[in-house]
Amino acid sequence: GQQLNQSPQSMFIQEGEDVSMNCTSSSIFNTWLWYKQDPGEGPVLLIALYKAGELTSNGRLTAQFGITRKDSFLNISASIPSDVGIYFCAGRTTSGTYKYIFGTGTRLKVLA
Amino acid sequence: GAVVSQHPSWVICKSGTSVKIECRSLDFQATTMFWYRQFPKQSLMLMATSNEGSKATYEQGVEKDKFLINHASLTLSTLTVTSAHPEDSSFYICSARDRSRNTEAFFGQGTRLTVV
Repeated sequence: GQQLNQSPQSMFIQEGEDVSMNCTSSSIFNTWLWYKQDPGEGPVLLIALYKAGELTSNGRLTAQFGITRKDSFLNISASIPSDVGIYFCAGRTTSGTYKYIFGTGTRLKVLA
Repeated sequence: GAVVSQHPSWVICKSGTSVKIECRSLDFQATTMFWYRQFPKQSLMLMATSNEGSKATYEQGVEKDKFLINHASLTLSTLTVTSAHPEDSSFYICSARDRSRNTEAFFGQGTRLTVV
């Protein structure tokens, strides 16, 4: 099935550092979503983006919907140990359908 | 917030048997639910769209006779893995959207299936 490419695949950072990850697609999406998944759990929605160029924040998290509608990035500022987990981007093509295509994931580990 | 619950959280079954996984929307009604599969260290892959009162729509490559989906009510969808084999071992996750609210779908906590 179709997948979105995320980078980096994994990253180790020190507590307090900022984190940046991105997601790219060969297709256009009308909605970009960012999720966090803890081990053995389902994904939890962090941020939803609905307009090209949109920049949205949720606490220490900031995400942007790329102008071309083929990419998005997520920044985490001042990381803390509980930020550890897998971050997935997801795209939705057509409004009215809630089928999501997920990215390959970025595994984040925070060193205290 | 809206809650989607899956049962069981984990299940171990013998090869050749069938296992049923439930997905419930606890505090909202969902005309559509979605089933995903996630293999270890991989992403979520959509398997099928479960439509209340009608047949499920399966993604390309997913065997509808092996993964039976029933969405008999606005709060419950079930996924039955028939004649399970070890390669069916995976993390199965459902999502559901509150049809009365303009929000994204909510995900269940997942069901870990191990076929031995």
